[in-house]
Amino acid sequence: GAGVSQSPRYKVAKRGQDVALRCDPISGHVSLFWYQQALGQGPEFLTYFQNEAQLDKSGLPSDRFFAERPEGSVSTLKIQRTQQEDSAVYLCASSFGTGGTGELFFGEGSRLTVL
Amino acid sequence: AQSVTQPDIHITVSEGASLELRCNYSYGATPYLFWYVQSPGQGLQLLLKYFSGDTLVQGIKGFEAEFKRSQSSFNLRKPSVHWSDAAEYFCAVGDIIQGAQKLVFGQGTRLTINP
Repeated sequence: GAGVSQSPRYKVAKRGQDVALRCDPISGHVSLFWYQQALGQGPEFLTYFQNEAQLDKSGLPSDRFFAERPEGSVSTLKIQRTQQEDSAVYLCASSFGTGGTGELFFGEGSRLTVL
Repeated sequence: AQSVTQPDIHITVSEGASLELRCNYSYGATPYLFWYVQSPGQGLQLLLKYFSGDTLVQGIKGFEAEFKRSQSSFNLRKPSVHWSDAAEYFCAVGDIIQGAQKLVFGQGTRLTINP
């Protein structure tokens, strides 16, 4: 596609529900990132994939958070038993190479509200 | 650990006036530095980046930034702002880890333009 696509754009969940957020990176992009942006804050790193391999998951806040990219393209961020503190915008970003100097392209984000 | 401080949470300038957004970073080695802009409901867009070389970096939309190692700063400037520049601006410092830019963002500066 022309850009990074995320769905759903908005999600309201009751506390305790599981949610799944989808990211469709730019075609051919090897690197994929998830960031969490709380209200009024800058984005915070969650996890990084190179193709299907999850090379860094140090930013995932708890074991309720799980991310996958099984075929090296689309990625899903899953949050189990959602809590109110999970309310945030979840941003996905992708880049073409693995050299680390290429531009990151961000999606518009998925806004999660946990009631 | 790396950190980024953007001292100004909100700045208001008149259209046509000059702009400077401040960014200070904490990083142990030569940093990779970035400025991103986020318009309401939009994804983050890269304005400019510094990896090495000339400390004055030119970006898109008429923005520039200057890396000053002695002051641990990477301030963003524009000589004359336009109403369309109203947005949230984020400074970030990055590590290249396993071939990926792992970014640490500041809190952001919200820019309002007076007509």
